Amino acid sequence: ETGVTQSPTHLIKTRGQQVTLRCSSQSGHNTVSWYQQALGQGPQFIFQYYREEENGRGNFPPRFSGLQFPNYSSELNVNALELDDSALYLCASKQGGDNSPLHFGNGTRLTVT
Amino acid sequence: AQRVTQPEKLLSVFKGAPVELKCNYSYSGSPELFWYVQYSRQRLQLLLRHISRESIKGFTADLNKGETSFHLKKPFAQEEDSAMYYCALRAYNNNDMRFGAGTRLTVKP
Repeated sequence: ETGVTQSPTHLIKTRGQQVTLRCSSQSGHNTVSWYQQALGQGPQFIFQYYREEENGRGNFPPRFSGLQFPNYSSELNVNALELDDSALYLCASKQGGDNSPLHFGNGTRLTVT
Repeated sequence: AQRVTQPEKLLSVFKGAPVELKCNYSYSGSPELFWYVQYSRQRLQLLLRHISRESIKGFTADLNKGETSFHLKKPFAQEEDSAMYYCALRAYNNNDMRFGAGTRLTVKP
């Protein structure tokens, strides 16, 4: 069983640029969610995708967008990067169903300068 | 609005001592509550959830709706329990999982 994998592990971008982060879900999982974790804070929910449709969104502006593909892998896109976007971005997948536990990846550390 | 508060950023106990990690929440409906743990150099993983009413690695947590709390307890802490612990809440029929800021537990020998 392959776990959740995220790429890249680290990334440095300049303010105003755009970034795409990638996530491969755990085998058999059809639901993926993304979280932003700032230093010293808990993960903050960005959005969730189920079968390629967004079915939940946290308090993040539209410049945070996502995609889920038929193989259930996923992307997080952030446009017009701001310094405050510097954080660890976590992807989590699960089997569909509210009671299923989340399986997290190791995250992508994004630094915006 | 849903909110999770973990009042202690750091908690240190000696091996064999009881440990309690506090979690308070605010939510007007029926919440689902979880504890996630992150050991050193490992990914975040589910420890337990209130709906299962189970004990994992000796840890238990009881949902107290009157006090809106979901404290994590273990009667005898072990050094391998040292980790970062996050309390999380999901509202019923909602995909938004809210995490607390986390408590770093250190168990000293």
